[in-house]
Amino acid sequence: DTGVSQNPRHKITKRGQNVTFRCDPISEHNRLYWYRQTLGQGPEFLTYFQNEAQLEKSRLLSDRFSAERPKGSFSTLEIQRTEQGDSAMYLCASSPGFGYTFGSGTRLTVV
Amino acid sequence: AQTVTQSQPEMSVQEAETVTLSCTYDTSESDYYLFWYKQPPSRQMILVIRQEAYKQQNATENRFSVNFQKAAKSFSLKISDSQLGDAAMYFCAYQHDKIIFGKGTRLHILP
Repeated sequence: DTGVSQNPRHKITKRGQNVTFRCDPISEHNRLYWYRQTLGQGPEFLTYFQNEAQLEKSRLLSDRFSAERPKGSFSTLEIQRTEQGDSAMYLCASSPGFGYTFGSGTRLTVV
Repeated sequence: AQTVTQSQPEMSVQEAETVTLSCTYDTSESDYYLFWYKQPPSRQMILVIRQEAYKQQNATENRFSVNFQKAAKSFSLKISDSQLGDAAMYFCAYQHDKIIFGKGTRLHILP
């Protein structure tokens, strides 16, 4: 197992466009988390899944954001009608229960 | 609500010297985990050390050790024999269900 994989590594999009990111967790980890990190700040929690169930969503996750984890395997995070304020690093992590293994992140730039 | 506070935005230490990064947290839970994560400029988050709240003994990982004071809700990280490769952002983190991160301390190593 090569760890948590995130794709793409970088995404540049025009304001108003939709974007989708993918996260492939460590296969035996049943929990999967999404965080957003802006420059110089700590990661902020967005949402998490236990298997295929989305158990919690942050208030940061506006109705333009949606996350899925079909069949409890990989997860996708979609942002609709992107805004410049969405520019950030989006981090995915997986966990067997406590402690996370992070992916390398997807850096989103909205122009 | 749980919070994690890192009061030192930046710190510097001479190579081979010892440095301590501070962290306090607030929670009403009795069962939780505490972590220090390192984020080098490449931006992949790496687990440095973890502490289970029920354990009184302070965790140690090679040159890294913690001072866990449960009653004071304090969790500091000591780095001994600092090396150039230790330069990074360090995040203190708390987990009961999801991980909550502090804002980070940027550590500079002076040659």
